[in-house]
Amino acid sequence: EAGVVQSPRYKIIEKKQPVAFWCNPISGHNTLYWYLQNLGQGPELLIRYENEEAVDDSQLPKDRFSAERLKGVDSTLKIQPAELGDSAVYLCASSLSQTGELFFGEGSRLTVL
Amino acid sequence: GQNIDQPTEMTATEGAIVQINCTYQTSGFNGLFWYQQHAGEAPTFLSYNVLDGLEEKGRFSSFLSRSKGYSYLLLKELQMKDSASYLCAVRERGGSYIPTFGRGTSLIVHP
Repeated sequence: EAGVVQSPRYKIIEKKQPVAFWCNPISGHNTLYWYLQNLGQGPELLIRYENEEAVDDSQLPKDRFSAERLKGVDSTLKIQPAELGDSAVYLCASSLSQTGELFFGEGSRLTVL
Repeated sequence: GQNIDQPTEMTATEGAIVQINCTYQTSGFNGLFWYQQHAGEAPTFLSYNVLDGLEEKGRFSSFLSRSKGYSYLLLKELQMKDSASYLCAVRERGGSYIPTFGRGTSLIVHP
């Protein structure tokens, strides 16, 4: 069974440019999470989806970050415009339900110059 | 909210045993996860505790005491490949059930 797939693995952009990350969760997993991880820190939640509905996005900086999960499967996380402080690894995870174990993708490492 | 505390870094010798502690404060405990994360890779699930006691899985065991807000991950017969970050995550009851992660403990295993 395929795991959580994310792309791109690495992205380098200049500040003020837009960037988008894509996530394909494990088939059948209704719950999808986007986490941000800084070096030496644990993952911090940005947004959680139950199917296509964003049910917890209180930590998402909505002035520059947006996310969608059309049809309740794949998800996209966008940053526009990017700032230097956005440099981090963006992790996507999925689970069968909101109480299940999380399965993580390998992450998208963003560097903003 | 939650407050999760674990040591930043630990070192141990190949073949030895190491215990990584995690303490937490939460208003409504609903389970504790341990994840392993090698540098540049995704976190991978190790264990889940929701009741008090010890859960053993091969060389890895995880313990939980809900009354003390305390868990530990025990790694036996350490191997070089066990060098990684170990993340403790606590799920809170009510509402979101979203796991909140600690900052992780970087374990260095040396020969």
